[in-house]
Amino acid sequence: GEDVEQSLFLSVREGDSSVINCTYTDSSSTYLYWYKQEPGAGLQLLTYIFSNMDMKQDQRLTVLLNKKDKHLSLRIADTQTGDSAIYFCAESIRGGGADGLTFGKGTHLIIQP
Amino acid sequence: DVKVTQSSRYLVKRTGEKVFLECVQDMDHENMFWYRQDPGLGLRLIYFSYDVKMKEKGDIPEGYSVSREKKERFSLILESASTNQTSMYLCASSKAGATYEQYFGPGTRLTVT
Repeated sequence: GEDVEQSLFLSVREGDSSVINCTYTDSSSTYLYWYKQEPGAGLQLLTYIFSNMDMKQDQRLTVLLNKKDKHLSLRIADTQTGDSAIYFCAESIRGGGADGLTFGKGTHLIIQP
Repeated sequence: DVKVTQSSRYLVKRTGEKVFLECVQDMDHENMFWYRQDPGLGLRLIYFSYDVKMKEKGDIPEGYSVSREKKERFSLILESASTNQTSMYLCASSKAGATYEQYFGPGTRLTVT
């Protein structure tokens, strides 16, 4: 069955890089996503990557995918206090989204001054 | 900008009551979803719909039903609310086919007493 695992907490100093890791079990996953949830808010899609890609960069965000190890990571460069949130890794088999997404439990990113 | 709205941010109901959670999206999306979010469990898919009057069970449909009479509106129904349905409920929508991004509403925090 599908399973997405990620650690529950990550603490980093302001200005450092944050690396949030995620592992998944379904090798037929086609699309992998990172969502951000700020306190009291809904989920915001940060970025996504197709399973045939290794890396995707978007400003301060870098997504790395190791398909062999089924490992996905999100790197946030120059972490700022506004990055404090819960980050969810998610996967889907069909990119149309018609079957919903399977989410990890979320990683709380804590920024230390 | 895609907008997904949910009828209430906070709701308190009694055990045994029938509860309706409403979700509306304004981008003509074909797919709509209901998730619940619980601490330590992440997001879990309850039901989704890929067209008007069409619905599919997600991972945890027990105790819930849904209704999609119009394309823009997707309702989640708790026929007889129970305390274990106290949770944050998130609605999402996405376009069918090539678009794989799900847009989330702000969530409804339901407390069943």
